Amino acid sequence: AQKVTQAQTEISVVEKEDVTLDCVYETRDTTYYLFWYKQPPSGELVFLIRRNSFDEQNEISGRYSWNFQKSTSSFNFTITASQVVDSAVYFCALKEEGAQKLVFGQGTRLTINP
Amino acid sequence: KAGVTQTPRYLIKTRGQQVTLSCSPISGHRSVSWYQQTPGQGLQFLFEYFSETQRNKGNFPGRFSGRQFSNSRSEMNVSTLELGDSALYLCASSSGQLGGGELFFGEGSRLTVL
Repeated sequence: AQKVTQAQTEISVVEKEDVTLDCVYETRDTTYYLFWYKQPPSGELVFLIRRNSFDEQNEISGRYSWNFQKSTSSFNFTITASQVVDSAVYFCALKEEGAQKLVFGQGTRLTINP
Repeated sequence: KAGVTQTPRYLIKTRGQQVTLSCSPISGHRSVSWYQQTPGQGLQFLFEYFSETQRNKGNFPGRFSGRQFSNSRSEMNVSTLELGDSALYLCASSSGQLGGGELFFGEGSRLTVL
């Protein structure tokens, strides 16, 4: 069965600090896809990144970076030099090959204080 | 290009009533998925439609139904509303390829059942 665990329910840091959001997943498939979404107060889920199971390269996009490790079934997300605008709920999600269904973690509420 | 449009954004119903929510996907996208978001259960997959056919269904009672029209617009219906149906209902649009295709979400329809 598929499962995504985001153990951190809430994180609060001061602006400019670095922060890492953890994500651990479970799947029996060898081909799968991992996602991160951001949910601001408006409710919309904003796509941040997709990773497939065959690509373990880390990715950096501006202040955002992602660390994918199949050995530990983790797909962690780091924000460097956090800003108040980064405050939101962040979701990690898993999609298996052959299914158009996302399994989400419970989300991590990130608050960046000025 | 225009994003995913969901209507209505907010609505209030009473127990026993029924509700219909609408989703217009991104132009050219043929797949529409629906998710329910509640504080207790998080984000849960309801169903997915592709080319007017339900391709995947989550674990929800039969009171939850949906359909997709030839222009890819989708509606979901909840009959005999219960208090527990109060939630944010999110629609996701994608090309429909059964792989790592990205899902783009609308801002959701927030349903309150009194």
